[in-house]
Amino acid sequence: SQQGEEDPQALSIQEGENATMNCSYKTSINNLQWYRQNSGRGLVHLILIRSNEREKHSGRLRVTLDTSKKSSSLLITASRAADTASYFCATVQTGGGNKLTFGTGTQLKVEL
Amino acid sequence: NAGVMQNPRHLVRRRGQEARLRCSPMKGHSHVYWYRQLPEEGLKFMVYLQKENIIDESGMPKERFSAEFPKEGPSILRIQQVVRGDSAAYFCASSPPNSYGGIAKNIQYFGAGTRLSVL
Repeated sequence: SQQGEEDPQALSIQEGENATMNCSYKTSINNLQWYRQNSGRGLVHLILIRSNEREKHSGRLRVTLDTSKKSSSLLITASRAADTASYFCATVQTGGGNKLTFGTGTQLKVEL
Repeated sequence: NAGVMQNPRHLVRRRGQEARLRCSPMKGHSHVYWYRQLPEEGLKFMVYLQKENIIDESGMPKERFSAEFPKEGPSILRIQQVVRGDSAAYFCASSPPNSYGGIAKNIQYFGAGTRLSVL
């Protein structure tokens, strides 16, 4: 079964606006990560938040984690056209070793 | 410091042939993971290997698929007797040893992928 469901599936915004993507998961986790994938390319790690953390920042990225609701959000502030990509959340499940369980992804398009 | 290298980038096979996908991890990384991505979907875990050991193969199909990470050389994902349903992008990722500690050992670095097309 799909561990992560992301919402929305697709998001189109104007440059300069903020973009928010949400991720829900089903099991107990050690950490949750967000990755970015440009069309036809591999994934690039963006940010990791541990299960005992609630919020984390990295540059224009802000990630929140609510383990009681089994959900996370990724906020990209002041978006740029270069942010256009697919964004995936991935969890490392408790007792699941190092493997990542990915969500279905959000396709973000930032228009000029 | 080269990233994760996968080759070939594109691979075309006819039904029944074998596909061999190669992955060289980042320098100093001892953990390798293989994932499969179908069009418009997220990545699905297949197998996790360390040098000469398969640690977790819970995502591997029971038949036709195998993986290895020998003491010397790249990791290989092998698909025998390919079928059309095997057409997908296959991504390899690597991570540093657990001795790195902290969050570093949890971050995986991905290659550009091999796109397999089965005719």
